[in-house]
Amino acid sequence: NAGVMQNPRHLVRRRGQEARLRCSPMKGHSHVYWYRQLPEEGLKFMVYLQKENIIDESGMPKERFSAEFPKEGPSILRIQQVVRGDSAAYFCASSPEGQPVDEKLFFGSGTQLSVL
Amino acid sequence: AQTVTQSQPEMSVQEAETVTLSCTYDTSESDYYLFWYKQPPSRQMILVIRQEAYKQQNATENRFSVNFQKAAKSFSLKISDSQLGDAAMYFCAFIDSGTYKYIFGTGTRLKVLA
Repeated sequence: NAGVMQNPRHLVRRRGQEARLRCSPMKGHSHVYWYRQLPEEGLKFMVYLQKENIIDESGMPKERFSAEFPKEGPSILRIQQVVRGDSAAYFCASSPEGQPVDEKLFFGSGTQLSVL
Repeated sequence: AQTVTQSQPEMSVQEAETVTLSCTYDTSESDYYLFWYKQPPSRQMILVIRQEAYKQQNATENRFSVNFQKAAKSFSLKISDSQLGDAAMYFCAFIDSGTYKYIFGTGTRLKVLA
């Protein structure tokens, strides 16, 4: 049973370009969470999605950031017109339906976004 | 607001020795969960240990144990017989029961000296 898969592992973008980060949850998991880790900081919650629904996006910056989790395919975190301050590690986590996340959250290995 | 504080940015320990990483948190809730996660250079977040707030007994996982002081809102991690593979960033995390947002501390970088 494969874990949470994130790709790419590293992503380099120039200022003003778009970044697309992908996350495939563990098999059987229908809940996805995105966290951002800025340099020398802990992970901070960004958004919580279920299939075709955004449940909570209170941690997402108001502009340029969007997330989706379509019926088919991976969850996508999209950052438009990237700026240097977007440089960070972006982690995806998943949990199965019906299981509280306080049991355990399964994390991917993250995507390191570097903005030049 | 709920917060998690790790006041030690970096710690060092000699191989085979014991080290304690500190963590304090703030919440008005009574039912919650606490975690220690290890993040090696690979960036993978690895769950080390988990503690339910309603349990008085401290959690233990092999060489890893916690000292959970609920009244003091303190949750320290003790690593016994430290090994070179224990070198990593360690994050303390908190979540209220029934919610889904994890609150993470800023981490402690642990160095293990041979």
